[in-house]
Amino acid sequence: QKEVEQNSGPLSVPEGAIASLNCTYSDRGSQSFFWYRQYSGKSPELIMFIYSNGDKEDGRFTAQLNKASQYVSLLIRDSQPSDSATYLCAVNRSNYQLIWGAGTKLIIKP
Amino acid sequence: GAGVSQSPRYKVAKRGQDVALRCDPISGHVSLFWYQQALGQGPEFLTYFQNEAQLDKSGLPSDRFFAERPEGSVSTLKIQRTQQEDSAVYLCASSQGTRNQPQHFGDGTRLSIL
Repeated sequence: QKEVEQNSGPLSVPEGAIASLNCTYSDRGSQSFFWYRQYSGKSPELIMFIYSNGDKEDGRFTAQLNKASQYVSLLIRDSQPSDSATYLCAVNRSNYQLIWGAGTKLIIKP
Repeated sequence: GAGVSQSPRYKVAKRGQDVALRCDPISGHVSLFWYQQALGQGPEFLTYFQNEAQLDKSGLPSDRFFAERPEGSVSTLKIQRTQQEDSAVYLCASSQGTRNQPQHFGDGTRLSIL
């Protein structure tokens, strides 16, 4: 079992709908959780981070953390074609080291 | 600078040559990370610096890989006697503090070994 797991996709969502991306992790001691967006040929770009159970909203993005179930999700409301990218989940292994999922490819269809 | 800067963006080398990849982190960022990313995969940790101290190099694949950050700012990742399996994108990231703060990435160096 990988330490951080994501469905590789592709996940296809119609424009304007809600895209839901999920990530599970194995280390119950993890405390910091990050979502990055990566366009093809580009480097990862920070979207959201969350440290506490519950929801955290920033514009069209909402991160949800459930430590009991060991999953973190990212919701994208009013999806736009420009949201089409690979979304990477990262979880801390130690005070500084992150463990990364392989990413979910999201396609927003106009 | 405004963001993390990496150079060169692309590097092609023949097998057996040495290469050096440069990273200039965001000004004032204490932590600096090097990652290797293969196509379709997430970044794989290589090494971590806190200021000039290399606190973790457990991810370096072999003793052919060497990284330094002598003055606590610019870092160089050096690969000696390159092999074809070294072909990948090498990403550098920096963060402000020392405890799991968000990391900000440079554009990466795409290394191709012929």
